Amino acid sequence: QVQLKESGPGLVQPSETLSLTCTVSGFSLTSYSVSWVRQPSGKGPEWMGRMWYDGDTAYNSALKSRLSISRDTSKNQVFLKMNSLQTDDTGTYYCTRGSSGFAYWGQGTLVTVSS
Amino acid sequence: DIQMTQSPASLSASLGETVTIECRASEDIYNGLAWYQQKPGKSPQLLIYNANSLHTGVPSRFSGSGSGTQYSLKINSLQSEDVASYFCQQYYNYPFTFGSGTKLEIK
Repeated sequence: QVQLKESGPGLVQPSETLSLTCTVSGFSLTSYSVSWVRQPSGKGPEWMGRMWYDGDTAYNSALKSRLSISRDTSKNQVFLKMNSLQTDDTGTYYCTRGSSGFAYWGQGTLVTVSS
Repeated sequence: DIQMTQSPASLSASLGETVTIECRASEDIYNGLAWYQQKPGKSPQLLIYNANSLHTGVPSRFSGSGSGTQYSLKINSLQSEDVASYFCQQYYNYPFTFGSGTKLEIK
């Protein structure tokens, strides 16, 4: 069945770079796109960006200068890198799959930005 | 960016009641709208896509409607397991944007 799982450090220092990995199973990254979505505690989600099945990417303009999404199809992994982290980047980060709405979500990984 | 204004922010209703949550887009999103349910500590779950299509496995007491800039999610015959937060999301245009959520409680 379709599964997505996020992994990465739970704590990041301010001004440092966040690196997260989404490992997928049950489908091919060359057939489906994967998006990253984050959610501060108690607030609505924010779409960050997407890795298309053909390797193309799309980013939220609010984050584009700090964000990079890449993939390794041989390992079924999608990567997120975001630099210059601040405290308001704290939240749960999800990888998701879907085009007309996100039908599949990972369990999420909590990222805290703090010194 | 397309702004999604969701109302109400919180809602308290009795078991068996019908509740409606509204979402207004800042411009026409041509039915490119999804609704999600999120329980505490869990990932969002897709309920409705394309404004009015029920996602696989979602109970039929959930329904979506609307067009243009105005959309709504209706829950008929409220059940205890419907206690959750609900979010709308437009995927008509980048960047995809979400509403701020509605927290539904049982009275």
